[in-house]
Amino acid sequence: GDSVTQMEGPVTLSEEAFLTINCTYTATGYPSLFWYVQYPGEGLQLLLKATKADDKGSNKGFEATYRKETTSFHLEKGSVQVSDSAVYFCALTFNNAGNMLTFGGGTRLMVKP
Amino acid sequence: DGGITQSPKYLFRKEGQNVTLSCEQNLNHDAMYWYRQDPGQGLRLIYYSQIVNDFQKGDIAEGYSVSREKKESFPLTVTSAQKNPTAFYLCASSIDVMNTEAFFGQGTRLTVV
Repeated sequence: GDSVTQMEGPVTLSEEAFLTINCTYTATGYPSLFWYVQYPGEGLQLLLKATKADDKGSNKGFEATYRKETTSFHLEKGSVQVSDSAVYFCALTFNNAGNMLTFGGGTRLMVKP
Repeated sequence: DGGITQSPKYLFRKEGQNVTLSCEQNLNHDAMYWYRQDPGQGLRLIYYSQIVNDFQKGDIAEGYSVSREKKESFPLTVTSAQKNPTAFYLCASSIDVMNTEAFFGQGTRLTVV
C-alpha cells in the first residue's frame, strides 16, 4: 500500500538556521504531495502542495519540490524562526481515490532563540 | 468566517461509556473525514463521508460509529468497544472527494479514565 516516511524528530535548531525535513513516499502511480503544519494543541493547516513531478510548492518561506526520480518531497526553509516551532506532516493522496490522505508520522521542529 | 468547528476541545469520560464528538462545517463541503492522532504518530483515517447519508469505514473503524444526516455535520461516536480510545481526534472536510485540499478542525482531545 501507499506509505509516507519522514525523518524522526525532534529537530532542534537555532533561530535563522537552515531547515530540511526529509520525506519519501511509496505509491503506485503519481500522487499529489502535501506538507501540513500542526501548532501545539491545534488541528492541521495546509502549508504547501505539489500535484505533479518537478512542481515546487512554497508558502511562508517554506519550499518543497516533487522529485519523482527519488520519490521525495523534502521540506526546506532558509531561515527558521521561533514561531515555526510545530509538528510537520508530509502526506500524499490520489485524486481518483478520493481525498484519503496518507500521512507520515510527523516531525517535531523546535526552534530556539 | 467559514471553517470547521470541533467541540469540545477537551473531553473526559469514564471507561465503558460511549461518547460523541461534534464536527460542524459551514464551507458547503460534500466530503468529511475523521482522523485519530496518537502521540508521536501520524494521522489514521477512522471514517469518511462523501455525501449526505453515506459514509465509509477507514483504516481503523472498529469501535467507532458515525452519521451524516446533514451536510454540515459529521459526529463521531467512540463506543465502549474501542479498546484504546484516549487520543486526539481531528475532523476534516474537502469540497468533494476529487479535491485534494482538506481543511481541518482544531481537534478534540479525548481522555478515558
